[in-house]
Order: sequence, then C-alpha cells, then structure tokens
Amino acid sequence: DAVMTQSPLSLPVTLGQPASISCGSSQSLVHRSGNTYLSWFQQRPGQSPRRLIYKVSNRDSGVPDRFSGSGSGTDFTLKISRVEAEDVGDYYCVQDTHWPPTFGQGTKLEIK
Amino acid sequence: EVQLVESGGGLVQPGGSLRLSCAASGFTFSDHYMDWVRQAPGKGLEWVGRILNKAKSYTTEYAASVKGRFTISRDDSKNSLFLQMNSLKTEDTAVYYCADIGSYLPWGQGTLVTVSS
Repeated sequence: DAVMTQSPLSLPVTLGQPASISCGSSQSLVHRSGNTYLSWFQQRPGQSPRRLIYKVSNRDSGVPDRFSGSGSGTDFTLKISRVEAEDVGDYYCVQDTHWPPTFGQGTKLEIK
Repeated sequence: EVQLVESGGGLVQPGGSLRLSCAASGFTFSDHYMDWVRQAPGKGLEWVGRILNKAKSYTTEYAASVKGRFTISRDDSKNSLFLQMNSLKTEDTAVYYCADIGSYLPWGQGTLVTVSS
C-alpha cells in the first residue's frame, strides 16, 4: 500500500498568517495515465469531510482561492495564504493512484 | 441539490451484522464509482471499499481489514448504495460515510456504527 505521511500533525496558526501542510507518499503517485491522483480534504469540527483540491492542484468549485495545492511524484503541499477562523479543522491528503486508496493521518489546524 | 444520505447505523454486538444504506440525489448516480469511508471516534479517515459502475461490471474492491466480512452493492434504479457488514468486531466502530472520493460529490453526514457488548 502507498503510505501517506503528513506533517505537521498539529498546526497552530495566527489569523491572517499563511499555513502549509506537507504530504509525502511511499510511492510515486503518477498514474500510468499521466495523472496524479492526490487530493486534499478539509473536515471542520463536527462536519463531514469536504474535498478542496484534486489532482494535486485543482481547486473544487466554491473553494476559496487562498487554498492551493502543489507538488509532484511523492511530495505534495497544501497551502493557505491567509488563515481565517473558518479554516479550523482537520486536513487530509488521499491518494487514489494505487490500490487501495490511502489517507494521510490528518493535520489539525488551530488558531493560536 | 446534490446529496448523499446514509442510514442504518446503530449498536450491534460483536459477531453481529448490520446493513447500511446511502440514498443519492441530484446527480447521475449510475455514472459514479462509489466508496465507503469510515472514521473511528477521534481518529482519521479509512477507506473501506468501492463499487464501480455498470460499465465496469459493478466490480467491488475492499480494504484488507474488511475483506470477506463486508459486501458493497448498489441499486442504480433506486439511486442507492449499500454496505452489508457481517462478523462485526469492536474495531469496526466508526462513522461510516458514502462518498465518491474521486469526484466533487459532497459527502453525507455519515452514520454511526457501534460494535459493543
């Protein structure tokens, strides 16, 4: 299985400041199709997960442009340019290139 | 409105069975591969299994932790997804979500399964 490792696991951030979460895979996530199936999900407290980013860097509809995804191969990053109060929650990367799909452990973002 | 609504959770004894349902609306359900994902209390997300669409012969895939005990099915005529869970263990206690992790579809609210004596 492709093991997904996120860091940090806890991320205290001051409102208005940037935040960055890393996600590393034990295997390259480049699919034979040439696509890289790496997504990012946000889970606010008490809510269901919501997809923010798909195929590394594509924002889902309605996702604020302060969220961005980047990376390639085995190393990926989710960045928030200026953290807002509504960004508090858990963030997960997930790969769907290799069977089975695997999630990172999650990163808890909190406001300092 | 695009929606997934899970139901069927509850308290069951170890070794027991439970069948979860997921009602889909607002999109062409039959086109989508569908997943079940679970989240144990206070823990992260774990993929449970997937059922492909008719074009892929409704092929199913399962996580090693549930293979042989859980069965995923779907009824496209009723826009419904199912998860039959047998031989339940205490470690199966979790909120179960239906989703298509490869698409924009919003996840449902989940349904809580508690396996305890």
